[in-house]
Amino acid sequence: SQLAEENSWALSVHEGESVTVNCSYKTSITALQWYRQKSGKGPAQLILIRSNEREKRNGRLRATLDTSSQSSSLSITATRCEDTAVYFCATDTGNYKYVFGAGTRLKVIA
Amino acid sequence: DAGVTQTPRHEVAEKGQTIILKCEPVSGHNDLFWYRQTKIQGLELLSYFRSKSLMEDGGAFKDRFKAEMLNSSFSTLKIQPTEPKDSAVYLCASSPGNQDTQYFGPGTRLLVL
Repeated sequence: SQLAEENSWALSVHEGESVTVNCSYKTSITALQWYRQKSGKGPAQLILIRSNEREKRNGRLRATLDTSSQSSSLSITATRCEDTAVYFCATDTGNYKYVFGAGTRLKVIA
Repeated sequence: DAGVTQTPRHEVAEKGQTIILKCEPVSGHNDLFWYRQTKIQGLELLSYFRSKSLMEDGGAFKDRFKAEMLNSSFSTLKIQPTEPKDSAVYLCASSPGNQDTQYFGPGTRLLVL
């Protein structure tokens, strides 16, 4: 069974709108990362948030972490067509290897 | 800086063949990972090396999958013998270590007929 999973399989928004992708996990973690994968490419890291952090920002991206509910969210503001991708959360349970969720497919429509 | 490189980018094999996929990690990275990616299962960890030592051999994948790291700048993943269910994208990633970011290569798309 997966230790990390995103809560929506697919989302679509219009360009300029904001969107949030959610992730839940099942065990205690030391860190959580958000990755984005565009078609034909490998995943690329967006944000790393450690267990003692509650929020992290990277430009138009904002990640939150709630260790009490074992959940995280990734918000994207002012979306662009190039944000179209699959978004993964990945959790580290302390042995430095990450477990990836199945991913949420985001489509940004012009 | 060069990122993670993987060769070949595409591979077609007949059932029962042996195939070898190659990966060159980012220079100076301590950790190297091999993953299999399919639409149904998502990203599954096959092998994990730390400073060239095998830390994780992928459990259920041990049977026909063997990853090696001959030196700090080169790794191979051998699948022997291939089966049609092995059709997937195989991704290699490297990391400086200690919870740091994983840098992924573009992947090798394998089709087994």
